[in-house]
Amino acid sequence: AQSVTQLGSHVSVSEGALVLLRCNYSSSVPPYLFWYVQYPNQGLQLLLKYTSAATLVKGINGFEAEFKKSETSFHLTKPSAHMSDAAEYFCAVSDRGSNDYKLSFGAGTTVTVRA
Amino acid sequence: DTAVSQTPKYLVTQMGNDKSIKCEQNLGHDTMYWYKQDSKKFLKIMFSYNNKELIINETVPNRFSPKSPDKAHLNLHINSLELGDSAVYFCASSQRTGVYGYTFGSGTRLTVV
Repeated sequence: AQSVTQLGSHVSVSEGALVLLRCNYSSSVPPYLFWYVQYPNQGLQLLLKYTSAATLVKGINGFEAEFKKSETSFHLTKPSAHMSDAAEYFCAVSDRGSNDYKLSFGAGTTVTVRA
Repeated sequence: DTAVSQTPKYLVTQMGNDKSIKCEQNLGHDTMYWYKQDSKKFLKIMFSYNNKELIINETVPNRFSPKSPDKAHLNLHINSLELGDSAVYFCASSQRTGVYGYTFGSGTRLTVV
């Protein structure tokens, strides 16, 4: 079964600084990969997804992620953090060709932004 | 015009009670899911239905019973509630292929006292 590992349960950045959230997957066949954001007391919102087109994927709110097969990684970045980026971020994976379309989530990374 | 809507948003109940959470999606998706998010924010899939057919049934106590009357609705009924059932329950839906990811509801925070 697919799994994802998010390195760092908590990331603290200054406003205007780079945000880097790490995600690695475990599979010999690249899966579908997703990043979701969860703001306090809300549901999950899709930030971006990788489904085998361009390896550099742009999402909403200025976020982007790069798929690197050689490193089995899908790290999320944003060049300049904003206070509104404070939230929980989840990397998720889904097997290609699976018949249950199950999305498995990483443990999440809490992002705090310092003024 | 909410895409995936869950009711209720908050549910506080006593141990031993039976409760239901309802979910509806208006996206025309074929597949719907229930996820449980624990106090450490970890998300675990519980069930999924595709066109009213049960696809995924993870190791969930049989006190939890999903019901899908049609492909736009997926309800979750919980019998004999226990303290450990306290969590946030999320409903989600997707196209059959799963390529596009899921659309999530805003969650139901269940507190068992």
